[in-house]
Amino acid sequence: GNSVTQMEGPVTLSEEAFLTINCTYTATGYPSLFWYVQYPGEGLQLLLKATKADDKGSNKGFEATYRKETTSFHLEKGSVQVSDSAVYFCALRRDNAGNMLTFGGGTRLMVKP
Amino acid sequence: DAEITQSPRHKITETGRQVTLACHQTWNHNNMFWYRQDLGHGLRLIHYSYGVQDTNKGEVSDGYSVSRSNTEDLPLTLESAASSQTSVYFCASSRGGNEQFFGPGTRLTVL
Repeated sequence: GNSVTQMEGPVTLSEEAFLTINCTYTATGYPSLFWYVQYPGEGLQLLLKATKADDKGSNKGFEATYRKETTSFHLEKGSVQVSDSAVYFCALRRDNAGNMLTFGGGTRLMVKP
Repeated sequence: DAEITQSPRHKITETGRQVTLACHQTWNHNNMFWYRQDLGHGLRLIHYSYGVQDTNKGEVSDGYSVSRSNTEDLPLTLESAASSQTSVYFCASSRGGNEQFFGPGTRLTVL
């Protein structure tokens, strides 16, 4: 079956530090990959996505590259801000599964000033 | 502005009671989804619908039901609430294979 594995948090960084949150997946076929962000007390928002191998999704300074050879979609940001403190979810959508998403367990990021 | 809303935002109930959580979207999206969020599990799909009168079971559907009588609403019913159903519940909607938009969530506590 499909599954998504994320590094466990919390991840605690100082402002302006480099961020990496690891995400690996298991799926048949060629899934689309997503990162969602959940700010405190809110629902999830789409942060970025990639729909085929070697695609790079990017938004708000965050980037992730779809690596089919390593089945990974790691999230990176060069310089985090306090406002980036949130929970980040990696997710996949199989190409023949309607619009159903499979989520990872989430990684909490805390950025200290 | 179009939006997706959930009510109530917080609910405390007792074991064995029937509970219904509401989800309403004004985007005219055909797809709607219910998830539960638990620590360490991320979001898990409970039920989903691709249109009026269409409902499907997700990964963790036992003890839950949904109905889709119109495009805008997908209420989630817990027939007989159990303590294991204490969780945060999120509704989402999408048009076709596009981005899912999430509601603000309902925190349910079953005592």
